[in-house]
Amino acid sequence: DIQMTQSPASLSVSVGETVTITCRASENIYSNLAWYQQKQGKSPQLLVYAATNLADGVPSRFSGSGSGTQYSLKINSLQSEDFGSYYCQHFWGTPYTFGGGTKLEIK
Amino acid sequence: QIQLVQSGPELKKPGETVKISCKASGYTFTDYSMHWVKQAPGKGLKWMGWINTETGEPTYADDFKGRFAFSLETSASTAYLQINNLKNEDTATYFCARGDGDWYFDVWGAGTTVTVSS
Repeated sequence: DIQMTQSPASLSVSVGETVTITCRASENIYSNLAWYQQKQGKSPQLLVYAATNLADGVPSRFSGSGSGTQYSLKINSLQSEDFGSYYCQHFWGTPYTFGGGTKLEIK
Repeated sequence: QIQLVQSGPELKKPGETVKISCKASGYTFTDYSMHWVKQAPGKGLKWMGWINTETGEPTYADDFKGRFAFSLETSASTAYLQINNLKNEDTATYFCARGDGDWYFDVWGAGTTVTVSS
């Protein structure tokens, strides 16, 4: 099974800052990676698919990058509504493992 | 609009059975796969498996083989998750999610919280 290692586990940042969350796969997943945002008590929402494609309605301050085993989600100029938890998930064969998550908190 | 509506919270005792529903609307049910995801309290997301909505064939992640069962009522555009012989560690929120090919989950249910307590 492919393992997904996400870092950092938590991050305390201020509105307006830029953050980068990374996800490392235990083997090459050929850009078959999605990123989700989850607010407290809510279901996850798709942000990015196929490593770099923004889902419909996702603000352009979000961007995804990476290839092979290393992937990143970057959020430029953080807004108050961006705080919550973020998860990566690979789609290179089942099981479609999630990363451990990154909790983004307000400083 | 496209949505997945899940059944309400459940409080069960160890050893009992629970069946959660996930009703799809706004799209052709059999055009997309249906996945199930577990989130224990304060923890991350764990993929449980998926069911092929055309054939009804389920696939389970290793940790969810044995007591867990996915099923469909295609005429009602509804997917089900049944958990038998409930254990305390099954206490969690369970999400259904629509799979678009092998690329992403683009629609999620609101989640069903199952609490197992004696």
